[in-house]
Parts: sequence; structure tokens; C-alpha cells
Amino acid sequence: EDQVTQSPEALRLQEGESSSLNCSYTVSGLRGLFWYRQDPGKGPEFLFTLYSAGEEKEKERLKATLTKKESFLHITAPKPEDSATYLCAVEIDYKLSFGAGTTVTVRA
Amino acid sequence: NAGVTQTPKFRILKIGQSMTLQCTQDMNHNYMYWYRQDPGMGLKLIYYSVGAGITDKGEVPNGYNVSRSTTEDFPLRLELAAPSQTSVYFCASSQGTAREQYFGPGTRLTVT
Repeated sequence: EDQVTQSPEALRLQEGESSSLNCSYTVSGLRGLFWYRQDPGKGPEFLFTLYSAGEEKEKERLKATLTKKESFLHITAPKPEDSATYLCAVEIDYKLSFGAGTTVTVRA
Repeated sequence: NAGVTQTPKFRILKIGQSMTLQCTQDMNHNYMYWYRQDPGMGLKLIYYSVGAGITDKGEVPNGYNVSRSTTEDFPLRLELAAPSQTSVYFCASSQGTAREQYFGPGTRLTVT
């Protein structure tokens, strides 16, 4: 069964303390892996799309990487404004299947 | 551009009542989606549409109906509200297939 699992569920970081979020997937024939950011009370906001193993994308303090079984979202020297829930999703039959998300809290 | 707009923002329904959640996008996207999000769970796809007049079921369609008469609008109808439909509902749109989806701000629905 196709599945997307994110870990950890929650992550508390000190400002400047780099860390990584994991998204593991079991999908036959990956068409795309997506990362979204969701702030409390708002809809998800698109961050990255990765299509093939070895691919990397960067945006400010965020870098997403992809292997054949998982993706990592690296947060380098985070700031309080990076606090949010980060969702990953995989494309299955032209639709997105989402993981439950990792809630990141960055303390000043 | 307003992007994807949803109304209402909040709603409380009694069991058995009906309501329509409105969704409008102004980006001329062909694809539109309805998701629900429950605490600690990922977004679950309810229904989606690949263009005006074409809709299909997602993962959790029971208790819901949709229509797509125009490119811009994709309303979601709850016919007989049940407590299990208490959730936050998000509408999204994209230019092609799943790709980069743009989400609305959500509707928080409580059924008591």
C-alpha cells in the first residue's frame, strides 16, 4: 500500500540549531515529492518539488533532498519565523497523498 | 490576484443540517481539489476536478458532493451533517495534474 510517513511529529529547536525532518514513502514509480509549509490557521504553502533520487532544492534556510525511499528537509540556522508545520506529499495517480506533518518550533 | 478564496471561515452545524462550502480561484487553473484535515492527520482528498463538468472521488468522499460548472468555482456540499465531518476543509487548485497546488485559507466546520 502506498504510504507517506513523516518524522518526528514535533521538533523544538533553539534559534540557530540546524536539524532535519524526514519523509519516507513507499510508492511504486514516484512521479514527484512535494514539500509544503503550513502556518497555524492557514492553508499549506508550496515549497519544493523533487522528481528523482539525488535531486536537491534550496530556498533560504531550507534544503530538500531526495533518495529512492525518503526525502529530508534540512533547516540550517533556523529563526523563529521558520516555526510551522512542514508537510510532505507524493504524487499518486495524479493526486497528492500527504504525510501527517512535522511541527517545528524555533525558540529565540 | 486573490488566489483561492473560501467561505465561510467558520461554521457550526447541527447534526442532519446541510451546507455548501464555497471555493473560488482566479488563476484559471483547470485542476481543483477539496481536502479535509483532522488533528494529527495528513490532508485527505475528498473530491477533485480536472476541469469544468468533470469531477471524481478522492480518498474520503462519503457524505459529500461536488459540482464544477465553471473553471473558477468548485463548491463542496454536505447533505446530512454528522459529527465525523467536524474538520478543517481546504480547497486547492493547480495548473496541471497534482503539481504545485495553491491552497485556500480553509473553513473550520463543527458539527454538534
